[in-house]
Amino acid sequence: QKEVEQDPGPLSVPEGAIVSLNCTYSNSAFQYFMWYRQYSRKGPELLMYTYSSGNKEDGRFTAQVDKSSKYISLFIRDSQPSDSATYLCAMSPSGGYQKVTFGTGTKLQVIP
Amino acid sequence: GAVVSQHPSRVICKSGTSVKIECRSLDFQATTMFWYRQFPKQSLMLMATSNEGSKATYEQGVEKDKFLINHASLTLSTLTVTSAHPEDSSFYICSAGDRGGQPQHFGDGTRLSIL
Repeated sequence: QKEVEQDPGPLSVPEGAIVSLNCTYSNSAFQYFMWYRQYSRKGPELLMYTYSSGNKEDGRFTAQVDKSSKYISLFIRDSQPSDSATYLCAMSPSGGYQKVTFGTGTKLQVIP
Repeated sequence: GAVVSQHPSRVICKSGTSVKIECRSLDFQATTMFWYRQFPKQSLMLMATSNEGSKATYEQGVEKDKFLINHASLTLSTLTVTSAHPEDSSFYICSAGDRGGQPQHFGDGTRLSIL
C-alpha cells in the first residue's frame, strides 16, 4: 500500500462546476498537508498549505484535512479552463526542510 | 513571482556530455534543497536531499557518482548529470525549503534530452 493514495483521473468537468480532489494517507506522522498545481512542462506551484486538521480557504480554493480519517480534500469553486492542470497532494511530518511524500496527481480538465 | 529559479529550462546534448543544472532560492535562505525527477504522466520521484554545506543524501537506487549535487550556499544548489546517456533524459525539478515551517517551493524544471 502506498503512503499516499490519489485518484489519477482524468477528471473532466464543465466550466463553473465545483471540483473535489481527494487523497488518503496511511502515515499518522504527517502534520503538513499541501496541494500543488502543475501545468504541463512546468514545476509544481504551491496552491494551499495546511498544518494539522481543519479547513483553509483562499479565493475559489478550499483545503480540508481530516486527520482522524487520514483524508484530505481540495475544492475548487466556479472552475475555469485555466484550472486545467494536474493537482498533486503532498504531505510531510515537518516543514519545508523535510522530505515530502506526493500523491500520484489528478489530471483535471475544465471544459469551456 | 517565482521564489525558486531553475536554469536552464531546456537542454539538448550528445551522449557522454555532463550537464549542470542550477537551482536558486530568490528571496529566502534555503537550508534544504531537493532534487526530483519526473517521467511523463508520473509523479515526482525524489532523487536526493541537500543541506547547505554538507553532503547530499541520496535516495535508494540513485547513483551519487552519476548525479553530483553541490549546495555551496543558502541560495544555490547544483545538480550535475555526469556523462549523460539517453536513459538520463527526463524532467528534473528542484525545490527549496527553510526551517521556518513553510512548505517547499519548486523551480520550473529542466527538460533534459540526451541524443
